[in-house]
Amino acid sequence: AQKVTQAQTEISVVEKEDVTLDCVYETRDTTYYLFWYKQPPSGELVFLIRRNSFDEQNEISGRYSWNFQKSTSSFNFTITASQVVDSAVYFCALSRALYNQGGKLIFGQGTELSVKP
Amino acid sequence: DTAVSQTPKYLVTQMGNDKSIKCEQNLGHDTMYWYKQDSKKFLKIMFSYNNKELIINETVPNRFSPKSPDKAHLNLHINSLELGDSAVYFCASSQGLLAKNIQYFGAGTRLSVL
Repeated sequence: AQKVTQAQTEISVVEKEDVTLDCVYETRDTTYYLFWYKQPPSGELVFLIRRNSFDEQNEISGRYSWNFQKSTSSFNFTITASQVVDSAVYFCALSRALYNQGGKLIFGQGTELSVKP
Repeated sequence: DTAVSQTPKYLVTQMGNDKSIKCEQNLGHDTMYWYKQDSKKFLKIMFSYNNKELIINETVPNRFSPKSPDKAHLNLHINSLELGDSAVYFCASSQGLLAKNIQYFGAGTRLSVL
C-alpha cells in the first residue's frame, strides 16, 4: 500500500530559527513523484516542489531546501531563518506513475508550522 | 486571473438538501480533480477527470456526482447532504494524467451542513 507519513502534527518555532519538516513515504513502485504543498491560513494550496524517484539531488530555493533520500524513503523540507509568513500547514504528497492512478496525489497528514515573532 | 476558481467559497445548508460546487480552470489543462479536506486537515482525492472522462472514483458515495461539461469545468453535485459531508472541497487541475504533472488547486469551498 502507498502511504505518506508526516509524524510532526504541529511545530512551533521563533522567527529566524531553522526548522525541518519530516516526510516518510511507503511505496513498492520504482517510479513515483513526491511533492510539497503549503496551505497558509487563507486556505489555498500552493505548490512548492516536485521530485521524481530517480533524482536524489537536494534542492535549494532561497530559504527553502529539500533533502530526498531513497534509502530511508524520506523527503524532508527545511526552512532556514524562518519568518512569520512561513506559518502554514505543509503537506507532503506521493504520486504513482501508473495510468490507472489518474494522477492521484496521496497526501500526508500535514504539519502545522507556527512561527512566532 | 485566477487559474483555478471555485464557487461558492462558503456554503451553509441544512441536512437533506442538494447543493453544487462549480470549478473552472483557465490553464488549458486536460485533467481536473476533486479533493476533500476533513476537519483534521486530511486531504483525500474523490474524483479525477481527463478530457471529460471519469478516471478515478475513489469509493465516494453515490450522493456525490461530478459533471464535466467540457475540459475546463468540473462541477460537483451533492444530493441529500449529511452532517459528515461538512468539509473543505478543493478542485485542482493538471496538464494531464501523468504522475509528474503539478496539480494546481482552487481556493477551496467550505461546506457546512447543519
